[in-house]
Amino acid sequence: DGGITQSPKYLFRKEGQNVTLSCEQNLNHDAMYWYRQDPGQGLRLIYYSQIVNDFQKGDIAEGYSVSREKKESFPLTVTSAQKNPTAFYLCASTPRGFGANVLTFGAGSRLTVL
Amino acid sequence: QQQVKQSPQSLIVQKGGISIINCAYENTAFDYFPWYQQFPGKGPALLIAIRPDVSEKKEGRFTISFNKSAKQFSLHIMDSQPGDSATYFCAATDSWGKLQFGAGTQVVVTP
Repeated sequence: DGGITQSPKYLFRKEGQNVTLSCEQNLNHDAMYWYRQDPGQGLRLIYYSQIVNDFQKGDIAEGYSVSREKKESFPLTVTSAQKNPTAFYLCASTPRGFGANVLTFGAGSRLTVL
Repeated sequence: QQQVKQSPQSLIVQKGGISIINCAYENTAFDYFPWYQQFPGKGPALLIAIRPDVSEKKEGRFTISFNKSAKQFSLHIMDSQPGDSATYFCAATDSWGKLQFGAGTQVVVTP
């Protein structure tokens, strides 16, 4: 079955540590996205990539980094510079970038900073 | 600031009742308005979407009403069922832009 796999589902981190969230898709989609979800704030775009080896900052990129070395993979690193990293992180993809494309989401990764 | 304002933040409805969620926007360039449904611990999934050339779109028990002049759109869930309990997000975008999400509405349908 085609879809997006995010791992780990739950992650605990001590302050000052970097963590990397995995996102893999087998939909053959060109574009991939990372969103952050906080209660009462909806979904906010962190980074997006419309093609391999290229990515752009979204609305809240500070404290995060990404890479897109393969079409099917778009890992997100939450660095120690992110001041409030505890959140639910969602990876998504579309056949092409932006516009009226249906986002396919993964099941999410919940990060808790202790 | 949030480009799509969504209300209420949460609502409780009895089984068989109607759930109504409202959204408003300012950017007149928006021309695609989807709604996403998210169950606890899962990612959102597209529920229904509308373009501004129609005033209403219905899919089963879910209806989007669109008021272009007022720059408002709403989701109606008819005959609400416990299985509809979820968080609903409205969103908007133009042909090339990033999808802008509302803050979400948590719907609880009581038996």
